[in-house]
Amino acid sequence: GAVVSQHPSRVICKSGTSVKIECRSLDFQATTMFWYRQFPKQSLMLMATSNEGSKATYEQGVEKDKFLINHASLTLSTLTVTSAHPEDSSFYICSAPPTGVNQPQHFGDGTRLSIL
Amino acid sequence: QKEVEQNSGPLSVPEGAIASLNCTYSDRGSQSFFWYRQYSGKSPELIMFIYSNGDKEDGRFTAQLNKASQYVSLLIRDSQPSDSATYLCAVNLRGGSYIPTFGRGTSLIVHP
Repeated sequence: GAVVSQHPSRVICKSGTSVKIECRSLDFQATTMFWYRQFPKQSLMLMATSNEGSKATYEQGVEKDKFLINHASLTLSTLTVTSAHPEDSSFYICSAPPTGVNQPQHFGDGTRLSIL
Repeated sequence: QKEVEQNSGPLSVPEGAIASLNCTYSDRGSQSFFWYRQYSGKSPELIMFIYSNGDKEDGRFTAQLNKASQYVSLLIRDSQPSDSATYLCAVNLRGGSYIPTFGRGTSLIVHP
């Protein structure tokens, strides 16, 4: 099955820092990737869909300038949390989309972001 | 009304019992339904998916789908302490799209 590698797994940094999270497809080419955020005891919330070679599609209420998404190649999508603040602390997960309407997603291992 | 609803729990069952997890969804046109297990601090892992009415069995797990009543359930037989996790229901709500919507998850605790 599709393998998605996400790094780093854990980030702790000071307020005001920008943090980049990478998501790589290891054994397939991905023209799109999903980025989710999950607060404690909450559901996965889709933030945006990255599109290889074009602009990302953001969900309503997600700040484009705050969460920069780049999908520069068919194997790499990145999420940069710019000028992070404590309220940005969360669990961020990327996933490769299903290959069909009845197929599951393939998730990366997630990144725990803690802003002090 | 939320699009995908789950009781947050926790649901506590003794080891060896059957755990029953339920999920309801709002869009009658939904096509596919997924159950994921998520351990604390980890990303979700697929347990089962179902897209036809009725039951689908895989080992100790059975997914049940009732499109008329708009609910999908997951039964875990012979529950083990290692089954203790949060179970997420995901539903493909948008016809023709491959982006499922997740419920908030049900916390399951299997005690020895």
